Amino acid sequence: EVQVVESGGGLVQPGGSLRLSCAASGFTFSSYWMSWVRQAPGKGLEWVANIKQDGSEKYYVDSVKGRVTIYRDNAKNSLYLQMNSLRAEDTAVYYCVRDIFPYTYGAFHIWGQGTMVTVSS
Amino acid sequence: EIVLTQSPGTLSLSPGERATLSCRASQSVSSSYLAWYQQKPGQAPRLLIYGASSRATGIPDRFSGSGSGTDFTLTISRLEPEDFAVYYCQQYGNSRTFGQGTKVEIK
Repeated sequence: EVQVVESGGGLVQPGGSLRLSCAASGFTFSSYWMSWVRQAPGKGLEWVANIKQDGSEKYYVDSVKGRVTIYRDNAKNSLYLQMNSLRAEDTAVYYCVRDIFPYTYGAFHIWGQGTMVTVSS
Repeated sequence: EIVLTQSPGTLSLSPGERATLSCRASQSVSSSYLAWYQQKPGQAPRLLIYGASSRATGIPDRFSGSGSGTDFTLTISRLEPEDFAVYYCQQYGNSRTFGQGTKVEIK
């Protein structure tokens, strides 16, 4: 079964750090662009970051640039999101997402169940 | 950044009716890199349409997408009870952005 499973969410104080993980299975992880998408409580979807198959290209939404790093370990079929200097507005469910086709930029096809990040004192 | 504006914000319809959802981009979406997603409460989004008009695997043919450039439409030909949900458009031709969503609710 093709799936991605997130972990690592939780409660963190403003200014703190958190690392999210995403374990992929059922497909050739190293062939796909991967992304993180978040959704604040009661709000819409926001793309956060994405990374190319080999990690050579990474892109971020402006609101997280300089605070967040996306990276991957193809040997472990895993995607990560290192989040530093967290703010209340980073509170959201974070989804790990796989593109629809290998080797090309595309729509978001495979979604995890999400992991909740709460930034609060 | 390409801004996507969806309309209406809420669509109140009855089962069996036709739903027409609009997504307008602030600039042209290259190569029709436009997708539509469905999200139900407590669930992750599900990809419905990519490339503006191609249905994803397993999506019923009552869902169809059309449009190009800056104007795109998702049509649900006859609403089934399970179709009442929030729908988002997304462009992936220039970075990635989502629209704010359209809620399709039971009238």
